[in-house]
Amino acid sequence: NAGVTQTPKFRVLKTGQSMTLLCAQDMNHEYMYWYRQDPGMGLRLIHYSVGEGTTAKGEVPDGYNVSRLKKQNFLLGLESAAPSQTSVYFCASLLGLAGLNEQFFGPGTRLTVL
Amino acid sequence: GEDVEQSLFLSVREGDSSVINCTYTDSSSTYLYWYKQEPGAGLQLLTYIFSNMDMKQDQRLTVLLNKKDKHLSLRIADTQTGDSAIYFCAERGHGGSQGNLIFGKGTKLSVKP
Repeated sequence: NAGVTQTPKFRVLKTGQSMTLLCAQDMNHEYMYWYRQDPGMGLRLIHYSVGEGTTAKGEVPDGYNVSRLKKQNFLLGLESAAPSQTSVYFCASLLGLAGLNEQFFGPGTRLTVL
Repeated sequence: GEDVEQSLFLSVREGDSSVINCTYTDSSSTYLYWYKQEPGAGLQLLTYIFSNMDMKQDQRLTVLLNKKDKHLSLRIADTQTGDSAIYFCAERGHGGSQGNLIFGKGTKLSVKP
């Protein structure tokens, strides 16, 4: 199993440009999450999904949209990038709510908005 | 509200013990977690403790839980340079149905040879 993969690994955008970050998991997990990590801020939840076709807002959803058309994929979109969205983005997945609830993380996407 | 607090930096010498402390807010958390993030990588679950336990030991790692004070600690014995990383304390989000985790800001552990 590849686990959780993220595409791309790095990206530089100009202010106002758009892009989509792709997260894929091959573990048949129901739940998927997008976090951003900023220095001194830890991880903050952007959006999440509790199953195929569902999405919900997290702690910092403004400026982002998501889609979960297929169970294995969770897309994060930036319609009009801003410098404040410069960050490292992590995707995570979770099998379900029973038991340990271990979240599995992707390797991250480092995004710079100029 | 939901908040997980931990100090941002810890520096130790190789061979010493490291202790990373964390306070959390949700007394109903079933599990509490420690995640490790190595440079340039994602987070990986390092260890966890079930809320009805006071202590859990796993090789060089010891987790202590004080539920009364809502205090969690991670002790790494015989710290090695390979232990240099950011360590995140986490608890389950209060939403219940979301499955999300609430993370602390992370403690950057630096191990000097």
